[in-house]
Amino acid sequence: AQSVTQLDSQVPVFEEAPVELRCNYSSSVSVYLFWYVQYPNQGLQLLLKYLSGSTLVKGINGFEAEFNKSQTSFHLRKPSVHISDTAEYFCAAATTDSWGKFQFGAGTQVVVTP
Amino acid sequence: DTGVSQDPRHKITKRGQNVTFRCDPISEHNRLYWYRQTLGQGPEFLTYFQNEAQLEKSRLLSDRFSAERPKGSFSTLEIQRTEQGDSAMYLCASSPQPDRVGYGYTFGSGTRLTVV
Repeated sequence: AQSVTQLDSQVPVFEEAPVELRCNYSSSVSVYLFWYVQYPNQGLQLLLKYLSGSTLVKGINGFEAEFNKSQTSFHLRKPSVHISDTAEYFCAAATTDSWGKFQFGAGTQVVVTP
Repeated sequence: DTGVSQDPRHKITKRGQNVTFRCDPISEHNRLYWYRQTLGQGPEFLTYFQNEAQLEKSRLLSDRFSAERPKGSFSTLEIQRTEQGDSAMYLCASSPQPDRVGYGYTFGSGTRLTVV
């Protein structure tokens, strides 16, 4: 079984400032890691994923994340946020024996202000 | 392709009543998943289908919950004798086969259930 911990429940940030959302995971087997974004009253949209290969992955809307196996982390970053990035962000993990069954973190609410 | 559709978007029901939600996946997707999301939490896996076969159910899916996908297309999730603790967003997702984890996995907008 795996678990996912998002260390910040809410992150306030000014427009055009950088943001980092922290995610740690635990698993006894290899994991695949994902970041999803959820806008109000909408479903989840995939931002990026790490399956294998390069530990730095780039996603949509200027987001990127780095997989760090030794620290069991998968932090999400964006160098300059926009008002439209205000949303809830979820880190998720899955393993080869849990195809399609994601373990989600509790989410981080990002609030971007002018 | 209109994505994953869920109906209704919102449902308010009285405690003890039965409710049924519908999910229409992307047409060529063989796999369909149900998740539940309570306020302030991430989604939790409930169950999934491959075509019409229900392959796994979470312990979260009590006897009051039942899901079907009779012809391998749309799916329904029924909750009998609703309780206030059932209030949540119910999310549906689908993916194609062969299925790589996270590949082509698409969520619907969810059905928000409020039990009063």
